[in-house]
Amino acid sequence: DAGVTQSPTHLIKTRGQQVTLRCSPKSGHDTVSWYQQALGQGPQFIFQYYEEEERQRGNFPDRFSGHQFPNYSSELNVNALLLGDSALYLCASSSGTVFYEQYFGPGTRLTVT
Amino acid sequence: GENVEQHPSTLSVQEGDSAVIKCTYSDSASNYFPWYKQELGKGPQLIIDIRSNVGEKKDQRIAVTLNKTAKHFSLHITETQPEDSAVYFCAASRNGGNEKLTFGTGTRLTIIP
Repeated sequence: DAGVTQSPTHLIKTRGQQVTLRCSPKSGHDTVSWYQQALGQGPQFIFQYYEEEERQRGNFPDRFSGHQFPNYSSELNVNALLLGDSALYLCASSSGTVFYEQYFGPGTRLTVT
Repeated sequence: GENVEQHPSTLSVQEGDSAVIKCTYSDSASNYFPWYKQELGKGPQLIIDIRSNVGEKKDQRIAVTLNKTAKHFSLHITETQPEDSAVYFCAASRNGGNEKLTFGTGTRLTIIP
């Protein structure tokens, strides 16, 4: 059973460019959350998708947007990249009826130069 | 919003000894508290979690305790082994984890052989 997968593994972009990161949830999971982890810090919540809708959003600007597809996979888009967007971007998937364990993928390392 | 504080930031213990990491949270509505282990270059791995309706949970060498009144929870690792060396994060969430996870700042645990 494959866990959460993310692509690409690493990415280098130039300031001002746009980037798209992809995530496939763990089998049987229907909810995808995205987190940003700066070096030496804990993950920070960006947003969560369920039934192809953004259900909850953290304190990130509108430059950060996302999408969830009918097969529950998800994309994170970041426009007008800033140097400060350099981080590890993590995707977590979950599902449940009462409690929802979130399982993380390996992340995408984004470097903005 | 929720605020999670984690201590200590670094911890070194002799192999075979016990390690304890402590977290406090601010939101009394939080009812789900997972712990994650993150190794270098990898995504966070869920190692144990506790829900607000129990005070303690054990899984082999790992245990977690929760004090709802004081709003703090702790991770206990007994008989530590070199492979326990990693960064550990606590987190808190409402709605059984079906909302954003708010993470602590992490504890770098080093097991000394």
